[in-house]
Amino acid sequence: DTEVTQTPKHLVMGMTNKKSLKCEQHMGHRAMYWYKQKAKKPPELMFVYSYEKLSINESVPSRFSPECPNSSLLNLHLHALQPEDSALYLCASSQVDLIAYSYEQYFGPGTRLTVT
Amino acid sequence: GNSVTQMEGPVTLSEEAFLTINCTYTATGYPSLFWYVQYPGEGLQLLLKATKADDKGSNKGFEATYRKETTSFHLEKGSVQVSDSAVYFCALKETSGSRLTFGEGTQLTVNP
Repeated sequence: DTEVTQTPKHLVMGMTNKKSLKCEQHMGHRAMYWYKQKAKKPPELMFVYSYEKLSINESVPSRFSPECPNSSLLNLHLHALQPEDSALYLCASSQVDLIAYSYEQYFGPGTRLTVT
Repeated sequence: GNSVTQMEGPVTLSEEAFLTINCTYTATGYPSLFWYVQYPGEGLQLLLKATKADDKGSNKGFEATYRKETTSFHLEKGSVQVSDSAVYFCALKETSGSRLTFGEGTQLTVNP
C-alpha cells in the first residue's frame, strides 16, 4: 500500500476562520511533508517532519501551524489566512534517508483551499 | 545550489506519437532523479526514478536514463495515449537530506 490520504478534499474558509488539514499514511514512513502548489507551478516545500520532529520550516508565515501527533498523522492548522494562500496543499511521506540512498516521496491527492 | 530545467510546454501530440520531455539538472553531489506525473485535479504520482548514473527507470511504458555526462534525465514513451495527458515534473534529491528540487513542469496533451 503506497497511499497517502488527505482530508478534506476541498475547503473554503474566511480570513477569520480556523481550520485544519489532515494527512495520514500507513506505510511506516518516518518523514512527512507539507507542500503548497499554485496553479501551473511545481509544489513548494513548507515543512518537513522527521521522526515526529519538525526538521525544516521554509520560513512559512505563522498563520500556518504544522503538527505531527504520531508517526502516521500530520496536521496543518490554519488561522487568519489571506486570499493569496488559496492553493492546493499536498502532503507527502517517505522513508528517512540513509547515506548513499535516496528514498522517493509519496504524495496525497491534496486539499484544494480557497480563502475568501 | 541545485536546479532542474525542463522542456517548456505545453506539448501537444497525437495518439501513438513518440514522446520526449527533456530534463537537465545541476547538483553538487550525486542526486537521485525522479519523474512525477500530475493528472488534472490530483496530487503527484511517482512515475519512475533512478538513483545512480546509467540507471534506467521505467514504468507504464515510460523510460528515463540517468546520464551523468550530460546531466540529463529525459522522459520518453514510444506511443502515447489520450490518458497520458497530464503535467510531468522532473525532480532531484540529494543523497542526504529530504529536499526535492522540482522543474517547472511540462503540460502534455494527447489528442485522439
